[in-house]
Amino acid sequence: ETGVTQTPRHLVMGMTNKKSLKCEQHLGHNAMYWYKQSAKKPLELMFVYNFKEQTENNSVPSRFSPECPNSSHLFLHLHTLQPEDSALYLCASSLQPGLAYNEQFFGPGTRLTVL
Amino acid sequence: ELKVEQNPLFLSMQEGKNYTIYCNYSTTSDRLYWYRQDPGKSLESLFVLLSNGAVKQEGRLMASLDTKARLSTLHITAAVHDLSATYFCAVDRGSTLGRLYFGRGTQLTVWP
Repeated sequence: ETGVTQTPRHLVMGMTNKKSLKCEQHLGHNAMYWYKQSAKKPLELMFVYNFKEQTENNSVPSRFSPECPNSSHLFLHLHTLQPEDSALYLCASSLQPGLAYNEQFFGPGTRLTVL
Repeated sequence: ELKVEQNPLFLSMQEGKNYTIYCNYSTTSDRLYWYRQDPGKSLESLFVLLSNGAVKQEGRLMASLDTKARLSTLHITAAVHDLSATYFCAVDRGSTLGRLYFGRGTQLTVWP
């Protein structure tokens, strides 16, 4: 595997379900990000992890719970979601924020549908 | 909060024509990125611009950065159908938090 991978690629869940999204980066980066991309809104940053520590939570509802066990893996745990949470969830990684530049590399995304 | 505005948001152009996409941002930054997204796919990095006056070219696309005007442009030369995609600019304030500020994207359609 190379780059940033995400599983599953598609997920359909009911509002009472609990599921998790997984992201793995094979780039040796130290920062990982979750973004939400909805049809009618700009790309929204959700969470930032830098060296496994959460450095930003962009006012995300508690039904989304991130987990970063190490610099290569990032999870997004989902529970009691709403239909408006249906979106493309993108994971990204970068070498290290605050360096000369912070180019982020994106995974293929998980298309989530909440029924 | 830093605001990033792209225009146009929708662009339909004929093959062979030239056009420019604009990306304006509201506060000082000398780091800007352009990404491409095909329908149903992820974001692919196109250009990294790291200083005032930076210009990068790849094929029919050329990106530039004017930090004094807080403006980046993505110029398309002699468009071809394969360039049809959504293009995003993203501004980096250089914060240790690592946050990028994205524009809403420009959906480009190139027709024969």
